[in-house]
Amino acid sequence: QQQVKQSPQSLIVQKGGISIINCAYENTAFDYFPWYQQFPGKGPALLIAIRPDVSEKKEGRFTISFNKSAKQFSLHIMDSQPGDSATYFCAAKGGSGGGADGLTFGKGTHLIIQP
Amino acid sequence: NAGVTQTPKFQVLKTGQSMTLQCAQDMNHEYMSWYRQDPGMGLRLIHYSVGAGITDQGEVPNGYNVSRSTTEDFPLRLLSAAPSQTSVYFCASSYSWTGTSGYTFGSGTRLTVV
Repeated sequence: QQQVKQSPQSLIVQKGGISIINCAYENTAFDYFPWYQQFPGKGPALLIAIRPDVSEKKEGRFTISFNKSAKQFSLHIMDSQPGDSATYFCAAKGGSGGGADGLTFGKGTHLIIQP
Repeated sequence: NAGVTQTPKFQVLKTGQSMTLQCAQDMNHEYMSWYRQDPGMGLRLIHYSVGAGITDQGEVPNGYNVSRSTTEDFPLRLLSAAPSQTSVYFCASSYSWTGTSGYTFGSGTRLTVV
């Protein structure tokens, strides 16, 4: 049972455009929703995260939008740059284990920013 | 400040061999975990530990063992390697397993079982 569904699998955006990646979750006990960025040959790195008590969080060009009623959250990358080309994972924590059972990840989105 | 260090970076095993993937962190993090990453599957939790002497199973624990004798180290043991264990393995740590502590990942171990 996949608890966090991520789309699209791959995404091509022109330089300067807006990249949008969507995730949906099923477990209403989740209370922490981070996004991770992964470059080839590297481990994932925390990009930005949100709690369900806010609807939006912005850090530089990266914004998380959160819709608690729809159980959906999305990552928006404004003014996308070639250096943003990477794989992005959404994740959620706080299920039945209260967080001890780790992060539940989406399957990832391979983002390519064309110059 | 080394963060999370994983060794080796690459490993080729024959079916049936055993080995230990090493993970060490120098941030005094309470929580450590092992994930495997397979194409199109995202990252799946193998085992985790909320502190020294305490470990538990994640989503895909079969064929793997862990122990946590110190706060710093969390090795992952493959008991009898199988081709299905070909994957990239990541160790991650966090200050606390509760709340919103971010995870720090190592750079991974790419394992091939032939």
